[in-house]
Amino acid sequence: EPEVTQTPSHQVTQMGQEVILRCVPISNHLYFYWYRQILGQKVEFLVSFYNNEISEKSEIFDDQFSVERPDGSNFTLKIRSTKLEDSAMYFCASNRGHSNTEAFFGQGTRLTVV
Amino acid sequence: GQQVMQIPQYQHVQEGEDFTTYCNSSTTLSNIQWYKQRPGGHPVFLIQLVKSGEVKKQKRLTFQFGEAKKNSSLHITATQTTDVGTYFCAANTGTASKLTFGTGTRLQVTL
Repeated sequence: EPEVTQTPSHQVTQMGQEVILRCVPISNHLYFYWYRQILGQKVEFLVSFYNNEISEKSEIFDDQFSVERPDGSNFTLKIRSTKLEDSAMYFCASNRGHSNTEAFFGQGTRLTVV
Repeated sequence: GQQVMQIPQYQHVQEGEDFTTYCNSSTTLSNIQWYKQRPGGHPVFLIQLVKSGEVKKQKRLTFQFGEAKKNSSLHITATQTTDVGTYFCAANTGTASKLTFGTGTRLQVTL
């Protein structure tokens, strides 16, 4: 069964450093997403990406964040100058269509900022 | 912005007991999806409801979408230890592609 894959599974970084979280969405999917989940809290939308551009972003997704699809398979989330409060689980997701279709989530990257 | 609340926040049941989580939105929803997240895991899609008043069943799980399309529920009959996890409802409204997740209900099942 096809799945969304994310690397690394866990990343520890020092405050102020840049991190890149990587995702390989399911190959025939068109919409890609990043979500964040702070420990014990709900899943929060960060950004959606379609047709090589951002289609929607949340208030959380400020200038510190950027996304890229550098080639036909990878989808990355870059966080510049990380802060302690960026510590969370970051999930990549993809789906085939727009709304009304299920989202497939990756296993997540646990980011710890120290 | 869109607010989706769930109650209860946490429920602890004995195996064999029933469980229900309720999801309420501040606005009318185009659809509602339900996801399960096992401890340490990622959200896994369970089902989607689209029509007003829709009821769907998956084995011991029953999902309902309210007539006004502002609320939904998930009922589990005769819980098992494998049901342990957090259940989230999630919605996209209008043509938005993002999912707005509910606050989640964490279910603990003991023998």
